[in-house]
Amino acid sequence: QLQLQESGPGLVKPSETLSLTCTVSGDSISNSNYYWGWIRQPPGKGLEWIGNIFYSGSTYYNPSLKSRVTMSVDTSRNQFSLKLSSVTASDTAVYYCARLRSMDTFDIWGQGTMVTVSS
Amino acid sequence: DIQMTQSPSTLSASVGDRVTITCRASQSISSWLAWYQQKPGKAPKLLMYKASRLESGVPSRFSGSESGTEFTLTISSLQPDDFATYYCQQYNSFPYTFGQGTKLEIK
Repeated sequence: QLQLQESGPGLVKPSETLSLTCTVSGDSISNSNYYWGWIRQPPGKGLEWIGNIFYSGSTYYNPSLKSRVTMSVDTSRNQFSLKLSSVTASDTAVYYCARLRSMDTFDIWGQGTMVTVSS
Repeated sequence: DIQMTQSPSTLSASVGDRVTITCRASQSISSWLAWYQQKPGKAPKLLMYKASRLESGVPSRFSGSESGTEFTLTISSLQPDDFATYYCQQYNSFPYTFGQGTKLEIK
């Protein structure tokens, strides 16, 4: 059974870089049928798509975050990662990783990890 | 960006009721729309894709339809497990965008 698990610091200082990793178990991240994505949800608010990555490394980012986002994939560890630079309090959110089926719907999600930006 | 507008924001209903949630796209998205259910403290769960296709394992009381740029999620007979927040998402074009959510509450 496919599972995704986010990991990373729960507290990041303003202006620093947020770094998260999603570990995939139960399937290979190199499965060419799927992309992998990040979505975030500020406390009490809705969902915002951050970006997608394919096992080859090709990426699609939300233009609103593109200048600060870097996604990468490590096929040897079956992981993909998110880096968000120059964070502010508005980046405080639950960050989810998810599998993207056929480059459209997010069919499997991680449990989410809360990241707070504060000094 | 394509804006997705859901209505209502909050819906109060009782077990056994038939309820409908609407999602309107700011421009054509063909049928490239998904619906998710989210419970407090949990990740969203995919319910429907391509506007009207039921995700595997999702009860048949959930259904979806479309008319132009307006999409609806219907629950035919509410069950206690259905009280949650529902989001629509378009995947016609980047950036993917979500509706603001509809919270389904117990009356």
